[in-house]
Amino acid sequence: DSGVTQTPKHLITATGQRVTLRCSPRSGDLSVYWYQQSLDQGLQFLIQYYNGEERAKGNILERFSAQQFPDLHSELNLSSLELGDSALYFCASSLSGIGETQYFGPGTRLLVL
Amino acid sequence: GEDVEQSLFLSVREGDSSVINCTYTDSSSTYLYWYKQEPGAGLQLLTYIFSNMDMKQDQRLTVLLNKKDKHLSLRIADTQTGDSAIYFCAENNQAGTALIFGKGTTLSVSS
Repeated sequence: DSGVTQTPKHLITATGQRVTLRCSPRSGDLSVYWYQQSLDQGLQFLIQYYNGEERAKGNILERFSAQQFPDLHSELNLSSLELGDSALYFCASSLSGIGETQYFGPGTRLLVL
Repeated sequence: GEDVEQSLFLSVREGDSSVINCTYTDSSSTYLYWYKQEPGAGLQLLTYIFSNMDMKQDQRLTVLLNKKDKHLSLRIADTQTGDSAIYFCAENNQAGTALIFGKGTTLSVSS
């Protein structure tokens, strides 16, 4: 158990809908990362937050957004969902967020029908 | 740009050693990592090596780093059926803000 929690574990929804994925980092970690794992793209970095502020952006679509709250939990919002958004979404956390070991949560499996 | 490459599949017999190889491009990464993903599960940090080390041993796991060739390997001694999983090699991106992963090596262990 890495100490990173993610909810929900599974999510099934329809095209065009909007969903919110939630992540709580390990105790003491200030930085949260979101990754997407799909069969064709592999593991891709989406976005990083540090202590409530966005720090880095990767291959995140404009339909996707994230935020980190004062209690350091983070939410990833996915809107106008398409079939191709079906994937496993991971959250990871680290202490300060630069060049550090990242600990991953169990992931949220999203299926868009 | 940054890239990490791994062979996609490795099959071994129980009790043999497994060696999973990886090449990376960004020599500025402070650490290099191995993560393990079991079927239907999340990513588990298996081990990591600091970039100024050549070797790290942790029980059945040995990590070798050749910085000149930008080559990383993971050796699993006495491989067990429970070691069957996908193994990902990863490095930090240049800014240190994200991990760059390989496509993963599926290790299949037969009894």
